[in-house]
Amino acid sequence: DIKMTQSPSSLSASLGERVTISCRASENINNYLSWYQKKEDGSVKLLIYHTSRLQPGAPSRFSGSGSGKDYSLTISGLESEDIATYYCQQGYTPYTFGAGTKLELK
Amino acid sequence: EVQLQESGPGLVKPSQSLSLTCSVTGYSITSNYWGWIRKFPGNKMEWMGYISYSGSTSYNPSLKSRISITRDTSKNQFFLQLNSVTTEDTATYYCARRGYNPYFDYWGQGVMVTVSS
Repeated sequence: DIKMTQSPSSLSASLGERVTISCRASENINNYLSWYQKKEDGSVKLLIYHTSRLQPGAPSRFSGSGSGKDYSLTISGLESEDIATYYCQQGYTPYTFGAGTKLELK
Repeated sequence: EVQLQESGPGLVKPSQSLSLTCSVTGYSITSNYWGWIRKFPGNKMEWMGYISYSGSTSYNPSLKSRISITRDTSKNQFFLQLNSVTTEDTATYYCARRGYNPYFDYWGQGVMVTVSS
């Protein structure tokens, strides 16, 4: 199985701050990388797919980048509604997820 | 709009089977792929498997022969059965749609299942 190492595990940031979360795969995943947002109410949304493609309906302040084994999610200006836990997922079966990054307000 | 809703017992005894239903509205399950994903206490998430538009299935090898995903196209529902559960199967279970690319674009709200005697 491909192991996804996500960092940091938790992050405190201020409103308006730029936030970056990273994921490293144990092997080349050829840009098959997506990012999800899980809110405290349990709802899960796809934000970014195939490394950098913004899911329709996701705010444009979210962006993704990367290649090979290394990928990142950036929030260009943190808003209160972004407080959530974020996960990366690689696209080869068995699909695997990062351990999550819990984003909190400073 | 595509909507998914999980349902099933919230408490299962060890060694029994866990059975969940995912009801889909706004889209036919005879298109795309339909999967189950679970989130354990803490943050770990695990993909369990999916059933395709044609009825073929793919499972996470970690679940070996314990898992079965089936469907009822007449009701636009698909199902998860996990046999011989232990306390380690306690989790929130999500059903989700996978597009023709390997990402899950619509998710249910999740149902918490506790395995306990």
